[in-house]
Amino acid sequence: AQSVTQLDSHVSVSEGTPVLLRCNYSSSYSPSLFWYVQHPNKGLQLLLKYTSAATLVKGINGFEAEFKKSETSFHLTKPSAHMSDAAEYFCVVSDLGNTPLVFGKGTRLSVIA
Amino acid sequence: DADVTQTPRNRITKTGKRIMLECSQTKGHDRMYWYRQDPGLGLQLIYYSFDVKDINKGEISDGYSVSRQAQAKFSLSLESAIPNQTALYFCATSDPRGPEETQYFGPGTRLLVL
Repeated sequence: AQSVTQLDSHVSVSEGTPVLLRCNYSSSYSPSLFWYVQHPNKGLQLLLKYTSAATLVKGINGFEAEFKKSETSFHLTKPSAHMSDAAEYFCVVSDLGNTPLVFGKGTRLSVIA
Repeated sequence: DADVTQTPRNRITKTGKRIMLECSQTKGHDRMYWYRQDPGLGLQLIYYSFDVKDINKGEISDGYSVSRQAQAKFSLSLESAIPNQTALYFCATSDPRGPEETQYFGPGTRLLVL
């Protein structure tokens, strides 16, 4: 069975500094991995996804994530935070096409002016 | 127009009442899901349906039931609401024919059980 652990429940950064949101996964197969973002009072939006192609995945709004099989990690990064990046971020894993997604508990990102 | 819609967006009800949350989609996807979100717990899967004739329990199905009326409609019912079912509820859809199974979420229904 698959699982995902988001290592920080809350991350706070200053505007213009790098963002790192950490995610480790457990999977019995070659997983598909996703990052979703949820802005306050909004639904979830897909940021990026990994599906066994390139290990460095680029998403929307300047975010990217690197799949590292040896470390079972899929950390989300952005070189320079904007105030509009303040949101809740979810790391998600899927083992196979016929199993539902498994969500991490979320990391709340705060951006300080 | 939104691809995945949920009604109502907000609902206040009393303990013991039966309520239904509805989800509709125009994406033509076969797969639909209901999640609840509680602060600090992320999203937990309640029920999912891979096609009109297929219904599966998720990790927290107790106290809930679902109905897949058509490919485009998937309803969630609370037979007898209790206060700990106060949460934000999301519907989602996905297409298994795609190269990866991205899920598309509705805007959510905020439910308060008094």
